[in-house]
Amino acid sequence: DAGVIQSPRHEVTEMGQEVTLRCKPISGHNSLFWYRQTMMRGLELLIYFNNNVPIDDSGMPEDRFSAKMPNASFSTLKIQPSEPRDSAVYFCASRPPRDGDTQYFGPGTRLTVL
Amino acid sequence: AQSVTQLGSHVSVSEGALVLLRCNYSSSVPPYLFWYVQYPNQGLQLLLKYTTGATLVKGINGFEAEFKKSETSFHLTKPSAHMSDAAEYFCAVSPGGYQKVTFGTGTKLQVIP
Repeated sequence: DAGVIQSPRHEVTEMGQEVTLRCKPISGHNSLFWYRQTMMRGLELLIYFNNNVPIDDSGMPEDRFSAKMPNASFSTLKIQPSEPRDSAVYFCASRPPRDGDTQYFGPGTRLTVL
Repeated sequence: AQSVTQLGSHVSVSEGALVLLRCNYSSSVPPYLFWYVQYPNQGLQLLLKYTTGATLVKGINGFEAEFKKSETSFHLTKPSAHMSDAAEYFCAVSPGGYQKVTFGTGTKLQVIP
């Protein structure tokens, strides 16, 4: 299995630009999570989906952030407009339906907003 | 509600020494407990987990953890540290039932040769 796939691995953009992060979960997994990791705030859950439906988006910082999961094999996290304080590593994780809540993390996308 | 407290953001041990990383949790229901490890520039990967049953859980790379309900703890140990154990370790808790997992703030383990 290829594991969770995230793209791009690195993204450098200028303030005000739109940024789209992509995630392909492991086949057969029915839950998907987006996290943000920074030195200051550690690992934060932004949003998670069960069976493509958003369950909890209380961690989404503000309206500039949006996430979609149009099907079981693809999800996006969009930031529009981006700001320097959005600079972080963004992780996607997926979870199978019967594995005691274990999450499988992707390699992350390192976002730098100038 | 659930939460996790990891005591010590940085821990240093000598190669060959005992590794002990502390984790205390709070949960209103019987918890599922996890330890994840993150190597530099990588995502988190599961080290071990407790759901039900035996309270001493063995994981990969010689790590183990013991669920102690009376102490609300789930400390991670390894008898002998190896240089390759240098990484950041995250304790996490969930209420089970495929709800969200709450992660601790992480402990960076340094192994001194």
